[in-house]
Amino acid sequence: EAQVTQNPRYLITVTGKKLTVTCSQNMNHEYMSWYRQDPGLGLRQIYYSMNVEVTDKGDVPEGYKVSRKEKRNFPLILESPSPNQTSLYFCASSFWTSSYNEQFFGPGTRLTVL
Amino acid sequence: AQTVTQSQPEMSVQEAETVTLSCTYDTSESDYYLFWYKQPPSRQMILVIRQEAYKQQNATENRFSVNFQKAAKSFSLKISDSQLGDAAMYFCAYRSGGRTSGSRLTFGEGTQLTVNP
Repeated sequence: EAQVTQNPRYLITVTGKKLTVTCSQNMNHEYMSWYRQDPGLGLRQIYYSMNVEVTDKGDVPEGYKVSRKEKRNFPLILESPSPNQTSLYFCASSFWTSSYNEQFFGPGTRLTVL
Repeated sequence: AQTVTQSQPEMSVQEAETVTLSCTYDTSESDYYLFWYKQPPSRQMILVIRQEAYKQQNATENRFSVNFQKAAKSFSLKISDSQLGDAAMYFCAYRSGGRTSGSRLTFGEGTQLTVNP
C-alpha cells in the first residue's frame, strides 16, 4: 500500500530534550516536506527536500533541522524543543515535476512540549 | 509570496443541503494549481478536489464542485447534498506551477464545517 508513515503519532516531552520525528514513504517520491498545523494558521511549511542530500527552508524553519540521506526517509529533528513548538506535524511527499502532482500526507504527529 | 485566505472560520449546514466555503488567494503568477483538502477528526489530510489555473472549466468530483474565478482570485468549494461524514476542517491550498518552487503548498487558515442532522 502506498503510504507516508510518521512516528511517533503522539509525543509529550519537556523543554530542551532533543527529539526526532521520523517520516518514511514507499512511493519513490523525490519531494518530501514537513508542515506544522496550528489553530487559525492552517499548515505552514517547515522544511522541504527536493531529493537526497538536497534540503531547504520553508516558511517557519527556526528551531528545526532535517536530513535526507535516503530517498524514502526525511526525519524532523528538534534539538532543543520549546513550548512554542507544541503543534501538529505533517510529513508529505510527491513526485517532483512541473505539472500537477498530488501530495501524500502522513497521519500527523501531535507534539506537546512542556 | 503567495497568500491564501479563508474568511469563514466556521460554517454549518443542514444535512442534505448545500454549503459553499470561500477561499481567496493572492499571486502574481499565471501558472498554478488550487486544492481543497478535508481534515476529519482523524486528522488525516484528504484531497477533495483540484483545479489547474489554465483550465476555465470548474472542477467537479461527485457532490463537490468549485467556482474558480481567476480574475477575482477566488476559489470556493460547494458541497451539495451534505452528509454527516462531510463534517471536517477544510483547507484551501495553492501550489505554484513553476518548477523552481517544487511541490510546496500554501494553505489557508481553514474552515470548520459542521453538518447538522
